Amino acid sequence: KAGVTQTPRYLIKTRGQQVTLSCSPISGHRSVSWYQQTPGQGLQFLFEYFSETQRNKGNFPGRFSGRQFSNSRSEMNVSTLELGDSALYLCASSLDSWGTVGGYTFGSGTRLTVV
Amino acid sequence: SQKIEQNSEALNIQEGKTATLTCNYTNYSPAYLQWYRQDPGRGPVFLLLIRENEKEKRKERLKVTFDTTLKQSLFHITASQPADSATYLCALEYNNNDMRFGAGTRLTVKP
Repeated sequence: KAGVTQTPRYLIKTRGQQVTLSCSPISGHRSVSWYQQTPGQGLQFLFEYFSETQRNKGNFPGRFSGRQFSNSRSEMNVSTLELGDSALYLCASSLDSWGTVGGYTFGSGTRLTVV
Repeated sequence: SQKIEQNSEALNIQEGKTATLTCNYTNYSPAYLQWYRQDPGRGPVFLLLIRENEKEKRKERLKVTFDTTLKQSLFHITASQPADSATYLCALEYNNNDMRFGAGTRLTVKP
């Protein structure tokens, strides 16, 4: 079966710009979670969407937002980019919240570089 | 506040030996704990989930234990192979509104 697809794989943006990242989950998975991974902070939870509703949100500023569509595809948006937003953004899909059934399936991520 | 720690940043072992990785957590009692493998430039791959009422779980050469008294999970890879070289992450759900990952242990298996 197809895995989790994230687009684009790489992105370079300038400070102050905004960016939208896309994630297509595994068919049948209704939960989509987003994570930021940096060398200093590791993997940090951004938010989770389940059936088009944001169910949980991590400790990130309001510049980070997301949404989920009726087909479970999800987008993440970051506005007013800062240099510190440079990171690998990972999308993970699962049957339920927190991957309690079969764990998360992660995409390969979008590498965002802010210059 | 809740912390999750993987005590070794890096672990080097010889092929054929058993690798043992440790995950400790504080100030919380998770209902379950997960282990993932991550290769450079890729997303983590789910390996095992162990629940609080399970002492041990196995999958092929992998074994996970969960000691809720010690607040510790051990992850073992028996008969290790160079292909097992990767970063291994533990993760636990926190207060049903956050998922916390450890910083990971980078395992290198030498032939």
